[in-house]
Amino acid sequence: AQSVTQPDIHITVSEGASLELRCNYSYGATPYLFWYVQSPGQGLQLLLKYFSGDTLVQGIKGFEAEFKRSQSSFNLRKPSVHWSDAAEYFCAVGAPGNQFYFGTGTSLTVIP
Amino acid sequence: DTGVSQNPRHKITKRGQNVTFRCDPISEHNRLYWYRQTLGQGPEFLTYFQNEAQLEKSRLLSDRFSAERPKGSFSTLEIQRTEQGDSAMYLCASSQGSNYGYTFGSGTRLTVV
Repeated sequence: AQSVTQPDIHITVSEGASLELRCNYSYGATPYLFWYVQSPGQGLQLLLKYFSGDTLVQGIKGFEAEFKRSQSSFNLRKPSVHWSDAAEYFCAVGAPGNQFYFGTGTSLTVIP
Repeated sequence: DTGVSQNPRHKITKRGQNVTFRCDPISEHNRLYWYRQTLGQGPEFLTYFQNEAQLEKSRLLSDRFSAERPKGSFSTLEIQRTEQGDSAMYLCASSQGSNYGYTFGSGTRLTVV
């Protein structure tokens, strides 16, 4: 069965600190993996995506993610968090042009 | 190109009433998706279209829900006889065929009272 697990419901970090958001997936085929960010009351914005090739992918806003097939993981990282990064983050897995399966999200709070 | 547009942004309706939402995708995108998101959850797939053809429907899409994309451009999602459990954010997304990743709209938040 296809599923995504985001083990951390809520994370709090200090501004300037590093960040890692965890994502584990289960998918029956070659996974296409995504991270989206959602601000309150808004739609989802694509941060980055992985399809193939280099397992470390760069995204917008200074985010990066690393695909580890052996661990079925696709963790999101940022070296230095800014207050504007406070939002809800969703990991998703899917196939091109087909439905995506989303995790339940991780809420990020940034302390000044 | 203004992205994916959804209207209305908010809708409050009484239980038992019908509601209709509209989604205008990015013009060159041939695939259009509807998702539902409840509080504290990630988006859940409802249905998707390739051009005007509805290719897949989730079991979440009960017979009170219907979606159309009559000319392969905009889409509507109608909920008949709304129930309180229908209260959610309804998200529309579009993609261009083999292009990967969706572009989401800002959603329509439905509140059934």
